[in-house]
Amino acid sequence: QVQLVQSGAEVKKPGSSVKVSCKVSGGTFSTYIITWLRQAPGQGPEWMGRIIPYLSVTNYAQKFQGRVTLTADRSTGTAYMEVSSLRSEDTAIYYCAKSERSDWYFDPWGQGTLVTVSS
Amino acid sequence: QSALTQPASVSGSPGQSITISCTGTSSDIGDYNYVSWYQQHPGKAPKLLIYDVTNRPSGVFNRFSGSKSGNTASLTISGLQAEDEADYFCSSYISSNTLYFVFGTGTRVTVL
Repeated sequence: QVQLVQSGAEVKKPGSSVKVSCKVSGGTFSTYIITWLRQAPGQGPEWMGRIIPYLSVTNYAQKFQGRVTLTADRSTGTAYMEVSSLRSEDTAIYYCAKSERSDWYFDPWGQGTLVTVSS
Repeated sequence: QSALTQPASVSGSPGQSITISCTGTSSDIGDYNYVSWYQQHPGKAPKLLIYDVTNRPSGVFNRFSGSKSGNTASLTISGLQAEDEADYFCSSYISSNTLYFVFGTGTRVTVL
C-alpha cells in the first residue's frame, strides 16, 4: 500500500520561504506523478503543480509560477515543494498526492502540512 | 479560472439518498470525463471516492456513485450512514494554459 508522509507544521514570517517534504513508501516512486495542492481554511483544495520525477518534468499553475519550486530525489523517493516570498494568504494546509501516468485523479494524499505565515 | 460550484450543504436522514451537484464549464467538466470526487473528514486528508466520472476505487462502498450530464457532475450517496457526515469535493481536469485541475467549493453533508 502506497503511503505519502509529509514533514511537520511550519510557522514562517512574511517574505520568507518554506520547504515541505513528501516521502513515498510502498510503491515505485519513479513511475509516479506527485502533485502538490493546498487548502485554505473552509475552502476546497487548490492545484498548485506537479512533478514527474522519471521525466524530470514540472508543471505549475500560473498563479504559483515563479514562486513555487517542485523537486524530487529519486534515490530516497522524496518530493519537495518550496514556496518563496510568503504572505499571510499562503497560510493553508499543503498536501502532496500521487497519480499514476494515465491517472486524472489523486490517490492517496499525504497527511498534510500546516504552514502558518504570521509576523 | 473559477472553482467548480457545489452546494454549501446537503443533509439527509440515515438510509436516505442524497445527491451533490458540481457545476463547471465546457472547458472542464463539459469537455472531459476526468471528474473525481473526494471525501474529507475533519482534520483528515481528502480520500478518493470516485474517478473518471463513474468509477469507484477498490475499498469504496458501492453506496457512492457518480454521473455527469453536460457541464454538471453529480455524486449520489445511497443508504446514508452516520459515517458519511463529512465534506465532499469534486475535481476536474481543465483545458487551460494556466491550470491543469480545478476543484469544487465543497459540500458539507450532515446526517440528521
